[in-house]
This record gives sequence, structure tokens and C-alpha cells, in this order.
Amino acid sequence: NAGVTQTPKFQVLKTGQSMTLQCAQDMNHNSMYWYRQDPGMGLRLIYYSASEGTTDKGEVPNGYNVSRLNKREFSLRLESAAPSQTSVYFCASSEFTWNTEAFFGQGTRLTVV
Amino acid sequence: AQTVTQSQPEMSVQEAETVTLSCTYDTSENNYYLFWYKQPPSRQMILVIRQEAYKQQNATENRFSVNFQKAAKSFSLKISDSQLGDTAMYFCAFRTDSNYQLIWGAGTKLIIKP
Repeated sequence: NAGVTQTPKFQVLKTGQSMTLQCAQDMNHNSMYWYRQDPGMGLRLIYYSASEGTTDKGEVPNGYNVSRLNKREFSLRLESAAPSQTSVYFCASSEFTWNTEAFFGQGTRLTVV
Repeated sequence: AQTVTQSQPEMSVQEAETVTLSCTYDTSENNYYLFWYKQPPSRQMILVIRQEAYKQQNATENRFSVNFQKAAKSFSLKISDSQLGDTAMYFCAFRTDSNYQLIWGAGTKLIIKP
């Protein structure tokens, strides 16, 4: 049982390049989330998807877009990467948004130079 | 605004000792859930323990227990008989009934020394 799988684990981008972070969960969860983690700070929510077919902005959505491709997959796209987007990105899922437990992927360390 | 404060950026204890990590939070709501997550060097975020605010009894999970003081808005984590594998960042977080978002503290780096 893989849980939440993110790809890639590491990525270096040049300023202005685009990329998509992939996330898939095999727990049949309805809700999925993208967070970023910066040094000295807790996780901050970028976007979330309460259920298949819906997406909503979180605390720090600027510079990102998301797609809930199906129930299993939730991707995060950086259209024009900026150094301020250097961070560790986590995908997470939960059965519903009101559930008490979220399961996390292993994170993607993204560096924008 | 809803906030979480972890006042100890870093702590270190000897193996087998007991350590307590502090967390305070701020919310005007009455129904919420509190969590402690562990992030080892592997980066994986792992749920350690959770507490429902309406429950007066403190949650316990093996060597991990919490001291939940609702009036003081305090939610500390106690690790008993600490082990080398407990070395990690520990994050306190909470979520209210009206807001699905987890609000996170900045974390405490815990080092268990042999």
C-alpha cells in the first residue's frame, strides 16, 4: 500500500521555467492538498481539492495552478518559476476535508535558480 | 486570526529521558482538533497523536501523550523513554470545524542523544 506518492523527489528549475508536480493516492480519499514548507515555518496550504472535480485556493496560491485529474491524482503546476518558489512541496490526502487525519507524501524539494 | 506557536525551536535530551514539547494556539472557536506531527530526516510527515477539543481526557499513544489545557489554549506533547528514532522535527497543528485548513506551528527540532 503506497499511500501518497509524489514525483519528482528533487527538481532544479531556472527562473521562468514551468513544471508540474504529480501526486497520486491509493486510499480512495476524496480530499487532496498541496502544501509548501519553508525553513522556520510550518506548512502553508497552496491549493486543495475537497472532492473530485473541485479545487480551491489556500493560503498562498499565487504563482500556482492545480488540476484534480481524477479521484486519485492531484497535480500542481508552476507556470513561470521564481526563486521565491524554492521550497519543499507536500501533497496530502484525507477521506474528507473534515477528517482528522491527513496522509502526506514524501515531499518534493524544488530549487529555482 | 488562528495561530499556532511553538516556543522551542530546538531541544535535545539523552536517550531514555522524558521530554515535553510546548504548543499554544489561538482560536475563537469551540470545536477543533489538535495534532502533533513528526517529520524525521526522511521528510515524511507522520501523525503522532491527535486530540478532539471536546474530549477532556488527554490522548495517549504508547510513549506519546498530550497535556491539553483548553482554557489556556495549550497542547503540549510528552515523549517518555525517548529513543534515537524520535529525533525529528515536531509540528503542532490544529483545525476547526468551520475551516478545513490545518494551521501549523513553525516546529521544534528534537534531538535524542545516545
